[in-house]
Amino acid sequence: DTGVSQDPRHKITKRGQNVTFRCDPISEHNRLYWYRQTLGQGPEFLTYFQNEAQLEKSRLLSDRFSAERPKGSFSTLEIQRTEQGDSAMYLCASSTGTGGPPNTGELFFGEGSRLTVL
Amino acid sequence: AQSVTQLGSHVSVSEGALVLLRCNYSSSVPPYLFWYVQYPNQGLQLLLKYTSAATLVKGINGFEAEFKKSETSFHLTKPSAHMSDAAEYFCAVSEPGRRALTFGSGTRLQVQP
Repeated sequence: DTGVSQDPRHKITKRGQNVTFRCDPISEHNRLYWYRQTLGQGPEFLTYFQNEAQLEKSRLLSDRFSAERPKGSFSTLEIQRTEQGDSAMYLCASSTGTGGPPNTGELFFGEGSRLTVL
Repeated sequence: AQSVTQLGSHVSVSEGALVLLRCNYSSSVPPYLFWYVQYPNQGLQLLLKYTSAATLVKGINGFEAEFKKSETSFHLTKPSAHMSDAAEYFCAVSEPGRRALTFGSGTRLQVQP
């Protein structure tokens, strides 16, 4: 399967702990997105990378959140000092493209990483 | 900022009946609009998209949507529902100057036998 892969699929942690999620995009995709989805809501944008450059960040991405995409391949999303409000599904998506915004292309989503903060 | 509103968080239809899922957008400029579907335990998949070409857009699995500027709507339809259409459907809009897609809150479609 050459789709978007996310790891781990499920993470249960205690409040105050740090967690890290990994996303492996489709290999030829230069664009990578992180979204967060809570129960009963649609995905909310967190951040966007084009190759290794982080070009957009949502105000939802507090300073406890950090995302990286070294070498423009896989990406990690780290949450420090987790809070119960961080409990959600964290979605990664990737796409191709060389043009400017707005986004007109198809995003390919992974199955998500579900975080539960106790 | 652009936004989308999906009327009805749950829609239930009988197998073979018309499917109509509603999406209205707010935008000061012509938007790009998308419908994504999420089956249980799977990632979101693109159903169809409108990018200022034909106003009637055909997608996968027999779905289509019509862009109506006067009504600021992009409703999703399918003439005859199938059991396999049971899923959650999300309308999304692409914001000018940004790569982010803004998603609606979703509509869960149930198909009754």
